[in-house]
Amino acid sequence: DSGVTQTPKHLITATGQRVTLRCSPRSGDLSVYWYQQSLDQGLQFLIQYYNGEERAKGNILERFSAQQFPDLHSELNLSSLELGDSALYFCASSGLQGNTEAFFGQGTRLTVV
Amino acid sequence: DQQVKQNSPSLSVQEGRISILNCDYTNSMFDYFLWYKKYPAEGPTFLISISSIKDKNEDGRFTVFLNKSAKHLSLHIVPSQPGDSAVYFCAASGWNYGGSQGNLIFGKGTKLSVKP
Repeated sequence: DSGVTQTPKHLITATGQRVTLRCSPRSGDLSVYWYQQSLDQGLQFLIQYYNGEERAKGNILERFSAQQFPDLHSELNLSSLELGDSALYFCASSGLQGNTEAFFGQGTRLTVV
Repeated sequence: DQQVKQNSPSLSVQEGRISILNCDYTNSMFDYFLWYKKYPAEGPTFLISISSIKDKNEDGRFTVFLNKSAKHLSLHIVPSQPGDSAVYFCAASGWNYGGSQGNLIFGKGTKLSVKP
C-alpha cells in the first residue's frame, strides 16, 4: 500500500460528460501529480500541485483541470469527454520538492462510451 | 518528442539469469533517474533511483547503471525471479526541468517476463 488513495477505481461515462477523479496523497506529502496512461503509452505527466499551488503543467488538455485543496487532496476534472480520453489516470504524491521518488495510487480506469 | 525512451517493449529471460532493461534519455538537464515496476491493475511502485553524480546504485538484486555521456541507463536484476515479471518504467526528472522540480518524465515501459 503506497498510502495514496484514488477514487473511484472504475468510471464509465458517456461522451460529452464531465467527471471528477479524486486523490488523497500520503500523509505529509505536499506535492501531487496526475498522470494519464493510455493504451500502449507510457505514463504521460499532466499536472503537478505543490501545497495548493499549480507548479507544473505537462500534456494536459484545456478540457481538463485540477486543483489541490487546503487538506492537500486533489481533484482532476475532465469535461466534454471524448472516446480518446479513456485511460488509466494515476495520482502520485511526494514529499519535499526535488529529486524524491513519487508514490502512486492504484489509478482510476476511465471508460468513455 | 519522447525525452525518455525504452526501446524494448518486452523482454523474456529464464529464472536465475540476469535481466537487463535499458533506457535512453535526450534531455541533458535531467539529473535524477528512477525505475518503477508495475503489475496489472496496480499503480507503479518505486524500485530504485540514481542521481547523476553517481554511475551505479545497488539495492539487493537490483542495480542501476548510469552513463551520462551516452545518456543511457540500465537496470540489472540478478538473479531474475518469476515474481519480477511486470512492466518496468524508466523515469527522469531534474531540478530545473520545465521550471519545476520533481515531476517525472516516463518512458513507455518494458514488459519483463521471467520464465521458471
